[in-house]
Amino acid sequence: DSGVTQTPKHLITATGQRVTLRCSPRSGDLSVYWYQQSLDQGLQFLIQYYNGEERAKGNILERFSAQQFPDLHSELNLSSLELGDSALYFCASSAQGLPSQETQYFGPGTRLLVL
Amino acid sequence: AQKVTQAQTEISVVEKEDVTLDCVYETRDTTYYLFWYKQPPSGELVFLIRRNSFDEQNEISGRYSWNFQKSTSSFNFTITASQVVDSAVYFCALSERNTGGFKTIFGAGTRLFVKA
Repeated sequence: DSGVTQTPKHLITATGQRVTLRCSPRSGDLSVYWYQQSLDQGLQFLIQYYNGEERAKGNILERFSAQQFPDLHSELNLSSLELGDSALYFCASSAQGLPSQETQYFGPGTRLLVL
Repeated sequence: AQKVTQAQTEISVVEKEDVTLDCVYETRDTTYYLFWYKQPPSGELVFLIRRNSFDEQNEISGRYSWNFQKSTSSFNFTITASQVVDSAVYFCALSERNTGGFKTIFGAGTRLFVKA
């Protein structure tokens, strides 16, 4: 158990809908990262937050947004969902948001299926 | 532009065989970081190693070893005396500085089957 929690574990929704994925980092970690793993695109870095502020941005679509709250949990919002958004979404956390120096601990993921 | 290539899609070995997973990367930065992650059948991602671009020293951790060669832009991973529990998908990744943080890209992964 990495200490990172993600809810829900599974999510089934329809095209055009909006969903919110939630992540709680390990106790004491200030930074969260979001990743998408799909059959088409493989594993992709989406976005990183550190202590409530966006720190780095990857291949995140404009239809997607994220935020990190004062209690350090993070939410990833996916809107106008398309079939191709079906994927496993991982959250990871690290202490200071320095992947060059720290280990990222990954949550179990949320599996999203868009029908 | 960043790129990570894991040319081996799947590898199948018999227990106790040694196996090497290849990773070739492209980057224009002089400062970058390389990683290997393991994704077992249960699905979670597990960090294995990080190496920065200035440290070409090879590393050994138990049955695992990593060979970093800047001259060939490669960061290969060897499992010695493989075990069934090593069966997983292994990802190589590259991080470069991006605005205030680091952007990471992953290779497509190599699926390793270790048969008893």
